[in-house]
Amino acid sequence: EPEVTQTPSHQVTQMGQEVILRCVPISNHLYFYWYRQILGQKVEFLVSFYNNEISEKSEIFDDQFSVERPDGSNFTLKIRSTKLEDSAMYFCASSEGPSTGRSYGYTFGSGTRLTVV
Amino acid sequence: QKEVEQDPGPLSVPEGAIVSLNCTYSNSAFQYFMWYRQYSRKGPELLMYTYSSGNKEDGRFTAQVDKSSKYISLFIRDSQPSDSATYLCAMMASSASKIIFGSGTRLSIRP
Repeated sequence: EPEVTQTPSHQVTQMGQEVILRCVPISNHLYFYWYRQILGQKVEFLVSFYNNEISEKSEIFDDQFSVERPDGSNFTLKIRSTKLEDSAMYFCASSEGPSTGRSYGYTFGSGTRLTVV
Repeated sequence: QKEVEQDPGPLSVPEGAIVSLNCTYSNSAFQYFMWYRQYSRKGPELLMYTYSSGNKEDGRFTAQVDKSSKYISLFIRDSQPSDSATYLCAMMASSASKIIFGSGTRLSIRP
């Protein structure tokens, strides 16, 4: 079964450093997402991306965050200057899109655990 | 009032029992309703999805949506120890919009 692949599985970084989280969505999917889950809290939406641009973002997704699809397969989340409170599991997800009628219920990756020290 | 409310549990039941998991929500714009299962340190895995009100059955799992009451449920029949996980309800207003998750119910099935 197709899956969303995320690397690395665990990243430790120092406060103030830049970090890039990488995702390979399912190949025929058109919509891409990042979510995060702080330990013990709910999964929260960060950003959605379609047709090479951000389609929606949450208030969490401030100027420190950016997303990019640098080639036909990768989808990245960059945090420019990490803070302690950015420590969380970051999940990438992808979906086919509404035109197929099966877009709801995205496929999530296994996540990257980001620890800011 | 929170947009999506879910009892965090934990919920512990004996193997073979019927499990009922529930969520309430406040946003009447939600049209798509999902249940995800999440194992420790893993991503959410889609179990069931329903559009608008009604019931949907898949094997031992049944999802129910009552939009008039803004209430959704997931029933697990003949529960197995392998069903032990955190169950997340989730909702969307449109088919490509963001998902709003509940806080998750931690379920444990005792052998």
